[in-house]
Amino acid sequence: GEDVEQSLFLSVREGDSSVINCTYTDSSSTYLYWYKQEPGAGLQLLTYIFSNMDMKQDQRLTVLLNKKDKHLSLRIADTQTGDSAIYFCAEGSGGSNYKLTFGKGTLLTVNP
Amino acid sequence: EPEVTQTPSHQVTQMGQEVILRCVPISNHLYFYWYRQILGQKVEFLVSFYNNEISEKSEIFDDQFSVERPDGSNFTLKIRSTKLEDSAMYFCASREGPTEAFFGQGTRLTVV
Repeated sequence: GEDVEQSLFLSVREGDSSVINCTYTDSSSTYLYWYKQEPGAGLQLLTYIFSNMDMKQDQRLTVLLNKKDKHLSLRIADTQTGDSAIYFCAEGSGGSNYKLTFGKGTLLTVNP
Repeated sequence: EPEVTQTPSHQVTQMGQEVILRCVPISNHLYFYWYRQILGQKVEFLVSFYNNEISEKSEIFDDQFSVERPDGSNFTLKIRSTKLEDSAMYFCASREGPTEAFFGQGTRLTVV
């Protein structure tokens, strides 16, 4: 079945760039997503990328996709303390159901 | 901005009791989902719903679970006889098509 793996923790200094990595197994994935979850809150869609793209940029966020290696990354430029949260990678597949398979999440801690 | 709304935000129930979790998806969306997140674990797919019927369900979604769209706006998840291991955050999600999936804030279910 589908599986998505992420490293569990990342700690950076304010102002630095953060790079969160993710690998997935399902080669039929159509879309790949990054969600942000702040403490006690829901899942906020940050960005997504279609599987035939290799890069997408949206303000401070850059998503890179290596489809051959099934590797996805999220780069946050100029990381701020407000970026501290759990970041989930998810892949969307499953025919017309478009269900999502999530990774365990990466806890990003931004130190002042 | 349209959003997915879930109620209640927190529900405490006794083991063996029935609970109904409620969701109002975004109004023009066609696909509806329930996911759950046990504390410290992955967000897991439970069920997808399209065209007034279940389109896919996971192994977790056994006979104790049911979903309903009783009117044009609400989407509910019922757990018939709750168990301790049903304690989790339950997320509703909706989408119009294959791209963005929007999640609600979640209902934290505590079974005691």
